[in-house]
Amino acid sequence: GENVEQHPSTLSVQEGDSAVIKCTYSDSASNYFPWYKQELGKRPQLIIDIRSNVGEKKDQRIAVTLNKTAKHFSLHITETQPEDSAVYFCAASIRGGSNYKLTFGKGTLLTVNP
Amino acid sequence: NAGVTQTPKFRILKIGQSMTLQCTQDMNHNYMYWYRQDPGMGLKLIYYSVGAGITDKGEVPNGYNVSRSTTEDFPLRLELAAPSQTSVYFCASSPLDGKANYGYTFGSGTRLTVV
Repeated sequence: GENVEQHPSTLSVQEGDSAVIKCTYSDSASNYFPWYKQELGKRPQLIIDIRSNVGEKKDQRIAVTLNKTAKHFSLHITETQPEDSAVYFCAASIRGGSNYKLTFGKGTLLTVNP
Repeated sequence: NAGVTQTPKFRILKIGQSMTLQCTQDMNHNYMYWYRQDPGMGLKLIYYSVGAGITDKGEVPNGYNVSRSTTEDFPLRLELAAPSQTSVYFCASSPLDGKANYGYTFGSGTRLTVV
């Protein structure tokens, strides 16, 4: 089955700096890569996603890049703010198949220091 | 439109007791899932369902059972609770159509402690 590795496990940045979280996946058939943000005691919430026919996607201060050849995708957060502090999960799946399910990375605890 | 609703939010069980975690969604999603999240850890898939009457095991199904009699409901049953089942349980759902693509919608979670 699919295996998703996520790094780093913890990341501390100063407010205004950029943060980058990286994930690799094992199944070359995977074609859908969402990112979730989970604040303390809350449910995971989808913040951005990308499909395998796209190399990069941006939404305001958040961007995701995908390198299919290397089976690698990354989350980039620019101009970080204290409210960006949370655990971030990457995930991968084969979208559209009859067996659709996400495999999650172990998460990255991002701390933005004011 | 309530999304994915989980009950209860918190529960303390004694070892050997049983309980059912309820999950219902009102988005007409075909896919539904149960994940558990241990403290400081990621999400592990327990069971999932691709539609009413169809269920399948995830990576950590032992000690749990599920049923899917309707599109809306996907209850998770714990039989003979053990301390290792202390965790936060999330139910999630997803539409079948891969084009209109918003990933999973998660419920607010059930925090279960087995003592």
